[in-house]
Amino acid sequence: QIHLVQSGNEVKKPGASVKVSCKASGYTFNIYGINWVRQAPGEGLEWMGWISPYNDNTNYAQNLQGRVTMTTDTSTSTVFMELKSLRFDDTAVYYCARDYYGGNSALGYWGQGTLVTVSS
Amino acid sequence: EIVLTQSPGTLSLSPGERATLSCRASQSVSSNLAWYQQKPGQAPRLLIYYASTRATGIPDRFSGGGSGTDFTLTINRLEPEDFAVFYCQHYGTSPLTFGGGTKVEIK
Repeated sequence: QIHLVQSGNEVKKPGASVKVSCKASGYTFNIYGINWVRQAPGEGLEWMGWISPYNDNTNYAQNLQGRVTMTTDTSTSTVFMELKSLRFDDTAVYYCARDYYGGNSALGYWGQGTLVTVSS
Repeated sequence: EIVLTQSPGTLSLSPGERATLSCRASQSVSSNLAWYQQKPGQAPRLLIYYASTRATGIPDRFSGGGSGTDFTLTINRLEPEDFAVFYCQHYGTSPLTFGGGTKVEIK
């Protein structure tokens, strides 16, 4: 089965950085892109960006440009999302989600989510 | 950026009834539209992609329709486990965006 397992919850201070990991298994890692989606408490879903494990191409949401970096480690089939200069409104559950199929795709497989709390 | 507007915000229905959810796009997304179900404390689950294709393992009481700017998700004969929040999402162009969600609650 296809699994995406994310790292544990984090508590950070404003201005700090957080790096969340997403370890994939059950499929050929470099074939499908990985997206990051976040959800603030009680709110809807916000797409943050996408990375191709095949060639490390990225596509970030404009409102996060300059603060977000997505990387991959093909040796461990892991994708990372780092968010810098954290603000209170970055408090959210962060999900990784795999493209369901190649190319422009729906998000077919999701990690369990990582709660990032930004608090002073 | 394409804005997706979902209606209604909340749908109060009884088990066994039919739910009809709407998603309207600010410009055409062709058929590049998906529907997700999210239960409290869980990650979203893909139900429908390409506007009308059920994802693997999704029961046939879930059906999607539409193209261009107007889409619907229909749930026939609601089961107790179907009550949740449903989101539409387009994925044909960047940035991907989600609708604000429709909560289907037990009446």
